[in-house]
Amino acid sequence: AQSVTQLDSHVSVSEGTPVLLRCNYSSSYSPSLFWYVQHPNKGLQLLLKYTSAATLVKGINGFEAEFKKSETSFHLTKPSAHMSDAAEYFCVVSRVNNRLAFGKGNQVVVIP
Amino acid sequence: NAGVTQTPKFQVLKTGQSMTLQCAQDMNHNSMYWYRQDPGMGLRLIYYSASEGTTDKGEVPNGYNVSRLNKREFSLRLESAAPSQTSVYFCASSELAEITDTQYFGPGTRLTVL
Repeated sequence: AQSVTQLDSHVSVSEGTPVLLRCNYSSSYSPSLFWYVQHPNKGLQLLLKYTSAATLVKGINGFEAEFKKSETSFHLTKPSAHMSDAAEYFCVVSRVNNRLAFGKGNQVVVIP
Repeated sequence: NAGVTQTPKFQVLKTGQSMTLQCAQDMNHNSMYWYRQDPGMGLRLIYYSASEGTTDKGEVPNGYNVSRLNKREFSLRLESAAPSQTSVYFCASSELAEITDTQYFGPGTRLTVL
């Protein structure tokens, strides 16, 4: 079965400092991986996705993630946090039955 | 382009009442999905429709029914609401049912069952 683990349900970062959100997955095959962001009272929006091409994936708003098969990880990073990055972030992994498994999310607070 | 729209935005029901959540997309997508989101959990798939005329159960289908009315619209019905169905419901769509396809989400319906 495919599952997703997101540690640190709440993350506080100071504006201008790096953001690191960790995601580990378990999968019996090489999955597709996604990061979605959810701003307050909004639907989810795709940040970036990995689909077996380049292992370093660049997304919107300066975010990027690196797929590391040996570590079964897909951590999300941004060099410098902005106030508008305050949101909830979900790591998502594809399943063999063409469905998605969502992590529990990281709530990011940006401190001015 | 409105993307994915959902109605209503908020709803309060009493136990045993029924209601239908509406979803529409204007991106000419083939596949549509209904998810629920509960505190401290990721989204869980209730039902999906890979293409017009087809529907399939997801992880948590009990207590729900769906209708793919046409290519644009996919509704979710609660026949007899229960407090355990208090949640935020999201509709999503994608061009195809391929797992690499990006899913586009609506703004959600916040449902409380008393």
